[in-house]
Amino acid sequence: QLQLQESGPGMVKPSETLSLTCIVSGGSIRINDYYWGWIRQPPGKRLEWIGSISYSGNTYYNPSLKSRVTMSVDTSRNQFSLKLNFVIAADTAVYYCARHPVVAATLSFFDYWGQGTLVTVSS
Amino acid sequence: DIVMTQSPDSLAVSLGERATINCKSSQSVLYSSNNKDYLAWYQHKPGHPPKLLIYWASTRESGVPDRFSGSGSGTDFTLTISSLQAEDVAVYYCQQYYYTPHTFGQGTQLQI
Repeated sequence: QLQLQESGPGMVKPSETLSLTCIVSGGSIRINDYYWGWIRQPPGKRLEWIGSISYSGNTYYNPSLKSRVTMSVDTSRNQFSLKLNFVIAADTAVYYCARHPVVAATLSFFDYWGQGTLVTVSS
Repeated sequence: DIVMTQSPDSLAVSLGERATINCKSSQSVLYSSNNKDYLAWYQHKPGHPPKLLIYWASTRESGVPDRFSGSGSGTDFTLTISSLQAEDVAVYYCQQYYYTPHTFGQGTQLQI
């Protein structure tokens, strides 16, 4: 059974960098048929897709966050990571990592999700 | 960005009764080349990650009870729970994956 688990600090100061890692177990990240994504949900708001990465490092980012986001993958550790620079209070959210199948060369729905981790931006 | 609008925002249904949740996209998510609607539904319970229920608008994910069904095409979609069970209390989201960025509806809170 594939499992994803987010890890990282639960609190980040304004203007600093939010860094999270998603550890994938029960299956390899090195599969062409999938991308690996990050989604967040601020309190009381809807889910927001942040971006996705393939095991080879190809990335797609949400244009609204693109200038502050960097995603990377470490196939030797079967994990992928998110960095969000210059955070502000509005970046406070539950952050999820998830897998999505590639269908007809298109990123699709999310079929496996991590449990999510709350990151609070506060001084 | 494509805006996904769900209705209603909240819904109370009796046990054993039918629940219907609607989702409307600001542009069509039907890809004419393969005749597929790029629309998914998720169930989200507190303290748990979202769970994929339906993809391609009407394909049930493996292990999802058959009381859950999806319908619609183009811009208008519906999630139906044919006979509500206590464990179905959750927030339900639709998501379009036709356009980047992928976007989600605001959610519908389903209660008993």
